[in-house]
Amino acid sequence: DAGVIQSPRHEVTEMGQEVTLRCKLISGHNSLFWYRQTMMRGLELLIYFNNNVPIDDSGMPEDRFSAKMPNASFSTLKIQPSEPRDSAVYFCASSPPLSGGAGTGELFFGEGSRLTVL
Amino acid sequence: SQQGEEDPQALSIQEGENATMNCSYKTSINNLQWYRQNSGRGLVHLILIRSNEREKHSGRLRVTLDTSKKSSSLLITASRAADTASYFCASREYGNKLVFGAGTILRVKS
Repeated sequence: DAGVIQSPRHEVTEMGQEVTLRCKLISGHNSLFWYRQTMMRGLELLIYFNNNVPIDDSGMPEDRFSAKMPNASFSTLKIQPSEPRDSAVYFCASSPPLSGGAGTGELFFGEGSRLTVL
Repeated sequence: SQQGEEDPQALSIQEGENATMNCSYKTSINNLQWYRQNSGRGLVHLILIRSNEREKHSGRLRVTLDTSKKSSSLLITASRAADTASYFCASREYGNKLVFGAGTILRVKS
């Protein structure tokens, strides 16, 4: 399997533009997580989905951010309009179905999308 | 803040020495996981310890968990230059939420 695939790997845009980040999950995984990484704030969980349903979006900074999972293997994170403070590396991670009561929940990360908003 | 604390923030050791990193978390957990991140790359899962376990080994890695203190430690024995990376603990809260610590930057000098 190719692993979690994110695109684009690098995006440079100007303030006010719309940004769409894409993620393809590993086949058979049913949970999808979007994280944002910055030097100042570290790794922040933005939103996660289970079986295509958003479970917790409390980390989404504001209404300018939206995430969708139109099918079981694909997700998008959209920022509209973008601002310089959105500059960060955005990671997508997927996880296989939990098994048993304790579960595991190991995450498989993509290589990230580095966003720079000028 | 979503995050727990990790210490030290940075650690520099000689090849062959052991490296110990500590992590504290905030809520009751299902399990605790450790990840590694090489510069410019995504995170890679290293080891998981369940809430009812106290110690776990995997190769040169040893993880301990103290749920009464809400803390964990990662020991890397006989470190190598290739172990140079950032290391993160992540607490899995009940449900499916994984919250990462701030990370420890490890540099192993050859």
